[in-house]
Amino acid sequence: GNSVTQMEGPVTLSEEAFLTINCTYTATGYPSLFWYVQYPGEGLQLLLKATKADDKGSNKGFEATYRKETTSFHLEKGSVQVSDSAVYFCALSRRSGGGADGLTFGKGTHLIIQP
Amino acid sequence: DTAVSQTPKYLVTQMGNDKSIKCEQNLGHDTMYWYKQDSKKFLKIMFSYNNKELIINETVPNRFSPKSPDKAHLNLHINSLELGDSAVYFCATAGGNYEQYFGPGTRLTVT
Repeated sequence: GNSVTQMEGPVTLSEEAFLTINCTYTATGYPSLFWYVQYPGEGLQLLLKATKADDKGSNKGFEATYRKETTSFHLEKGSVQVSDSAVYFCALSRRSGGGADGLTFGKGTHLIIQP
Repeated sequence: DTAVSQTPKYLVTQMGNDKSIKCEQNLGHDTMYWYKQDSKKFLKIMFSYNNKELIINETVPNRFSPKSPDKAHLNLHINSLELGDSAVYFCATAGGNYEQYFGPGTRLTVT
C-alpha cells in the first residue's frame, strides 16, 4: 500500500538557519504530493503541493520538488523564522487523480525555531 | 466566513456514552472526510463521502457512523465511547484540484 516516511522530530534550529525536512514515499501510480502545516491548537493548512514528477511547489519561502526517481518530496526553506515553529506533515493522495481520494500522511515533524 | 467548521471544539465525556461531532463546509465541494489524529499526532483517514455517498471506510469500528444529510454536512456519530477513542478528529473537504481543506478539529476526551 501507499506510505509516507518523514524524518522524526523535534527538529530545533536557530532563526535564519536553512531548513530541510526529508520525506520519501511509496505509492502505486502517480500520486500528488503535499506538505501541510499544523500550528499549535489549530487544524492543518496546505503549505504547498506538486501533482507530477519534477513539479516544484512553493509558498511562503518553502519549496519542495517532486522527485520520482528518488520517490522524495523534501521540504526546504532558506531562512526560517520563529513563526515557522509548527508540525509539518508530508502527504500523498491515495490514488492518482480524483478529488475523492483521501490522504496518506507521514508521522509529522515538529519544528522548533529558537530566536 | 470559515470554509470548514466543526462543532464542538472540545468534547469531554465518559466511557459508554454516545456523542456526535458536526462538520459543515461552504466551499461547494463534493467530497468530505473524517480523519483521526492520535496523541502522537499521527493522522489517519476514517471515512470519505462523495456527494452523500460513502467512498472510503477504513478499518474503523462500527461504533463510528458517518452521516451526510446533504453535500455541505458530514457528521460523525460515535456509540459506546471507549478510552481509546480519545483523539482529535478533523473534518476535511476536497475539490477537483487534489487539495484538501481541514476544519479546526474536535478534541475528544473520554474519561
